[in-house]
Amino acid sequence: SQQGEEDPQALSIQEGENATMNCSYKTSINNLQWYRQNSGRGLVHLILIRSNEREKHSGRLRVTLDTSKKSSSLLITASRAADTASYFCATDAYSNYQLIWGAGTKLIIKP
Amino acid sequence: DVKVTQSSRYLVKRTGEKVFLECVQDMDHENMFWYRQDPGLGLRLIYFSYDVKMKEKGDIPEGYSVSREKKERFSLILESASTNQTSMYLCASSLGLKQETQYFGPGTRLLVL
Repeated sequence: SQQGEEDPQALSIQEGENATMNCSYKTSINNLQWYRQNSGRGLVHLILIRSNEREKHSGRLRVTLDTSKKSSSLLITASRAADTASYFCATDAYSNYQLIWGAGTKLIIKP
Repeated sequence: DVKVTQSSRYLVKRTGEKVFLECVQDMDHENMFWYRQDPGLGLRLIYFSYDVKMKEKGDIPEGYSVSREKKERFSLILESASTNQTSMYLCASSLGLKQETQYFGPGTRLLVL
């Protein structure tokens, strides 16, 4: 079952530009996480935002959460070639230990 | 630094073979997970374990089994590999609290011929 859905599915921008990805989900959550996956590798945790938080920063990353709209956005500022990757959002499930994953946004940074 | 390792990066097996994928974490984490990842489908949970010898089915357990005899090791077993099990397999672990950050291994790309 998929709860998080990322938008867009793919995004191609010039190096130095900002990249914004969105995630929508269906049910109430306790927290939402963003992960990055470089081509053919495992996922790396980027940031976790809790349901009582509206915005969180980590370096060039900014995550917002709007629980009324059941959506989150990930902004990467001043993009670099190394940011080329797939980005996934994950929400906690209604059950127990599971995270529910979206299908991801593929981000390509053009030099 | 948290470390999750998987026994193979690439694996080629024949239909009907029994396949073992091993995952080891060095963080003393309670929870361990096996996912498969296919293009356009995101991550789908196969099985997870919240303690030694404990396991729970995820969304797609059919054709798979797991074993957790020690806290640091979680094995995924394909009893009789089939071509539709060709996929990327990702192992992850997390601390005791539920639904917190998961730490992933590098993945095993399995091809079943």
